[in-house]
Amino acid sequence: GEDVEQSLFLSVREGDSSVINCTYTDSSSTYLYWYKQEPGAGLQLLTYIFSNMDMKQDQRLTVLLNKKDKHLSLRIADTQTGDSAIYFCADHRNTDKLIFGTGTRLQVFP
Amino acid sequence: DAGVTQSPTHLIKTRGQQVTLRCSPKSGHDTVSWYQQALGQGPQFIFQYYEEEERQRGNFPDRFSGHQFPNYSSELNVNALLLGDSALYLCASSFEGVSGFGPGTRLTVL
Repeated sequence: GEDVEQSLFLSVREGDSSVINCTYTDSSSTYLYWYKQEPGAGLQLLTYIFSNMDMKQDQRLTVLLNKKDKHLSLRIADTQTGDSAIYFCADHRNTDKLIFGTGTRLQVFP
Repeated sequence: DAGVTQSPTHLIKTRGQQVTLRCSPKSGHDTVSWYQQALGQGPQFIFQYYEEEERQRGNFPDRFSGHQFPNYSSELNVNALLLGDSALYLCASSFEGVSGFGPGTRLTVL
């Protein structure tokens, strides 16, 4: 199947870490992406990981990939109110087709 | 170097009308994909163009058609608009991997 699944909602306190989870079904995925979408806006590419990697760190963002379980996570360290948005994971298939999850709404409260 | 651009940004149509949306890819990108994002959902793949031909297609009716020009820019056409076609339409361009998205065209069908 083509399913990519995410939890719908996450609420964290400012300064804490956020962890957003994603599961996918296709073992032929080449890249896995994380996008951020703010209200009324388009998609902003946050980071991506090649399918042959286990971890990628980029400033406050850490991506972990468990290929055996087909599980991807995005950790945001020191979460700020400006991080409040919807986060989408996307599974990149051959020929650049992306399959998106339903999105996780991250709410950061002071 | 401009990224992916789309026009128009907003559009209002009535049921039964036809609409054309436009996308200019990032410089050097030869593949253009179109996605539909309904309110509260993740983007859904409509179709992809490469070398001026439709290379792959998602689960969308024939009312959705497209075109790619020699300069790699692309159009998405939707005929016989339905209320359910109201959505944010996103264009992504890519070259051998990572995709970049345009800001989207928000289509409202009344």
